[in-house]
Amino acid sequence: EVQLVQSGAEVKKPGESLKISCKGSGYSFTSYWIGWVRQMPGKGLEWMGIIYPGDSDTRYSPSFQGQVTISADKSISTAYLQWSSLKASDTAMYYCARKGSSSLYNWFDPWGQGTLVTVSS
Amino acid sequence: SYVLTQPPSVSVAPGQTARITCGGNNIGSKSVHWYQQKPGQAPVLVVYDDSDRPSGIPERFSGSNSGNTATLTISRVEAGDEADYYCQVWDSSSDLPNWVFGGGTKLTVL
Repeated sequence: EVQLVQSGAEVKKPGESLKISCKGSGYSFTSYWIGWVRQMPGKGLEWMGIIYPGDSDTRYSPSFQGQVTISADKSISTAYLQWSSLKASDTAMYYCARKGSSSLYNWFDPWGQGTLVTVSS
Repeated sequence: SYVLTQPPSVSVAPGQTARITCGGNNIGSKSVHWYQQKPGQAPVLVVYDDSDRPSGIPERFSGSNSGNTATLTISRVEAGDEADYYCQVWDSSSDLPNWVFGGGTKLTVL
């Protein structure tokens, strides 16, 4: 079974750093892209960025470029999303999701269970 | 950047047909994908490439795409279909490819 399992909920203070993870299993981790999607409380889905663990090719949404860093460690089939200095406005649910390797396959399936990040003083 | 427009809400009685639209400039030239998100759960892909269904998704879910509007159709609606639905496309019209989501539509089963 193809699965993406994300790290647990985090509570942080403004200005702190954070790295959350997404571990893939049941498929060749280096042959598919992993995307990250933000969902703020009560709001819709926003694409943040995407990485191809095979060669670490990474693309960012203009809205998130410079605000977060996406990386992957293919030796442990895990992708990461990190912040160097959190803001209260980063409070949201963050999902990872798999995308096919070809540019013809631009949907996300499956999705991780989500990681809730709360930033509050 | 490319914009997808969905109605905020759609209501339908059980057993009837629900149609959720997704508007975008010449969206018929793009492939549209649809996700279902129930409260407290992660999104689930229900239709990809305009009209294909992943394994395990009931045949009641179907999609179409033409001109400036894509549509997700749910036939014989059940109480368990109540959820938020999002459309999504890949926009390659600019230098930076972008995966775009619509704002979402809340389906209420009356």
